[in-house]
Amino acid sequence: GENVEQHPSTLSVQEGDSAVIKCTYSDSASNYFPWYKQELGKRPQLIIDIRSNVGEKKDQRIAVTLNKTAKHFSLHITETQPEDSAVYFCAAFNAGGTSYGKLTFGQGTILTVHP
Amino acid sequence: EAQVTQNPRYLITVTGKKLTVTCSQNMNHEYMSWYRQDPGLGLRQIYYSMNVEVTDKGDVPEGYKVSRKEKRNFPLILESPSPNQTSLYFCASSYGTSGGAGEQYFGPGTRLTVT
Repeated sequence: GENVEQHPSTLSVQEGDSAVIKCTYSDSASNYFPWYKQELGKRPQLIIDIRSNVGEKKDQRIAVTLNKTAKHFSLHITETQPEDSAVYFCAAFNAGGTSYGKLTFGQGTILTVHP
Repeated sequence: EAQVTQNPRYLITVTGKKLTVTCSQNMNHEYMSWYRQDPGLGLRQIYYSMNVEVTDKGDVPEGYKVSRKEKRNFPLILESPSPNQTSLYFCASSYGTSGGAGEQYFGPGTRLTVT
């Protein structure tokens, strides 16, 4: 089945710096890659996603890149702010074979932005 | 208001006592899913459903059952709970095309403790 590895597990940056979180996946049948942000005590919420026919997507300070050949995708946050502090999860959605419809999450990255 | 609801929000129970956690969505989503969240392990998919009467195992289905008799409801059943099922559980639904490859709308979570 699909295996999603996420790194780093913790990331500490100064306000205004950039933050990068990386994920790799194993199943080439995966075709949709969302990123979720979970603040303390709250439910995960989608912040950006990318489909396999696109290499990069941007939304204001956040961007996601996808390298299908290498099976990895990354989240980039620029000009970080203290309110960006949260746990971030990547995920891969399987669109083929016996695992069709399965959504596999990475282990999460705790991002701390220091004022 | 578009939402996913779960009940109960908190539950303390004893080993072996059958329980059901309900999940309901009012967005007419076809895809519904259950996840458990444990520290350091991220979100792990338990079961998912692409449509009414269609359910599939996720990565950690052992000890759980689900049913999808109606589009809006997707209950999670623990026939004989054990302490290793102590966790935070999230239900989610998605409108995405291709059977769920879209934003997951998460419920508020159910904190389950099995003693």
